[in-house]
Amino acid sequence: DGGITQSPKYLFRKEGQNVTLSCEQNLNHDAMYWYRQDPGQGLRLIYYSQIVNDFQKGDIAEGYSVSREKKESFPLTVTSAQKNPTAFYLCASSITSGSTDTQYFGPGTRLTVL
Amino acid sequence: AQSVAQPEDQVNVAEGNPLTVKCTYSVSGNPYLFWYVQYPNRGLQFLLKYITGDNLVKGSYGFEAEFNKSQTSFHLKKPSALVSDSALYFCAVRPPRDTGTASKLTFGTGTRLQVTL
Repeated sequence: DGGITQSPKYLFRKEGQNVTLSCEQNLNHDAMYWYRQDPGQGLRLIYYSQIVNDFQKGDIAEGYSVSREKKESFPLTVTSAQKNPTAFYLCASSITSGSTDTQYFGPGTRLTVL
Repeated sequence: AQSVAQPEDQVNVAEGNPLTVKCTYSVSGNPYLFWYVQYPNRGLQFLLKYITGDNLVKGSYGFEAEFNKSQTSFHLKKPSALVSDSALYFCAVRPPRDTGTASKLTFGTGTRLQVTL
């Protein structure tokens, strides 16, 4: 987990509210990613960013938004349009977006919708 | 489309015995393969990866994995299991040729390893 921080660790949200999850890295990595983890489903890619001011949708982007204004930061907003937001959210980064680059993960944020 | 299968939801092994966690993949061309471990309420930790070369890859904490192209498998192994190895293990795959988009890993559903005394 070293070098990538996520906050908060636990987050509770009422239905209809937007919430923003923080992800910061001090590894000087160009590429950053957001994944969602649900029991028994592995990890699914929400959004990714190769460089500052650029990002692309992953496999399950609906109901989420991101920004990449700084190299070290890649916040994820879970909007009220996300039908089932309760999940464990993981941020990752890699040196570049190259094929062989290893992705390193943060400690995660557990989001619960009340 | 690429895919990863981890056929066992859970693997049980006694401490000191060898362990194997299975992974098979489907991808066009030669794959890049990864293993990660996750402890409860934590992020994923990188264990090892296969890019090219020797089919036996050695990684962290005494783990190794064997790439078998004919069987499209990348099983994780350890000669002697420890109770502290108990965790959730994920296999992941990437296709070899990237069009310039970010590294898009496809993960398996995970295998829970339980090591008992």
